[in-house]
Amino acid sequence: EVQLVQSGAEVKKPGESLKISCKVSGHGLSDYWIAWVRQMPGKGLEWMGSIYPRNSDTTYSPSFQGQVTISADKSIDTAYLQWSSLKASDTAIYYCARQTTSYAHWGQGTQVTVS
Amino acid sequence: DIVMTQSPLSLPVTPGEPASISCRSTQSLLRSDGDNYLDWYLQKPGQSPHLLIYLGSNRASGVPDRFSGSGSGTDFTLKISRVEAEDVGVYFCMQSQQTPYTFGQGTKLEIK
Repeated sequence: EVQLVQSGAEVKKPGESLKISCKVSGHGLSDYWIAWVRQMPGKGLEWMGSIYPRNSDTTYSPSFQGQVTISADKSIDTAYLQWSSLKASDTAIYYCARQTTSYAHWGQGTQVTVS
Repeated sequence: DIVMTQSPLSLPVTPGEPASISCRSTQSLLRSDGDNYLDWYLQKPGQSPHLLIYLGSNRASGVPDRFSGSGSGTDFTLKISRVEAEDVGVYFCMQSQQTPYTFGQGTKLEIK
């Protein structure tokens, strides 16, 4: 059974850096695109970008390009989302999701609070 | 970017009654392979989204057959033949025709 397990909730101050993770178990990370999706408080879903861990090919939504970095370490089946300088507006739940034809598998979400 | 527009945004339904959600895109989601790159997700309260329908009309594994998806090109519909209490939550359509993938605003289904 495929599982995506995300790192725990974070509380940070504006200007701090952060890296959250998404570990894939039950099937290797490398052969599927892994996406990150943002959900701001009380709002809908926003696709941020995704990575193909086998060759680290990465694509970003223009809305998030330059604001975050998506990476992966296929040796430990883990994808990452990182910020170099957080803003209060980064407060949200962040989900990772694995793409086959669609996003059939999602992580449990990581709450990031910047205050 | 492809803009996805759902309606209605709020959907109160009596248990046992049918429900329908519309999703429209600003560009065609039909690819040359014949598939429409449109998915439906349900996010139950306090949970991660989960996949209901993929490629426009295919039910995901474990999804009850009261859920069905239809449509092609730019107009799509999710139908629930008989709503049950466990169906409450927010329904999102998402296009994966081109990056950046985009979601509809969400339709909140509640039980009357």
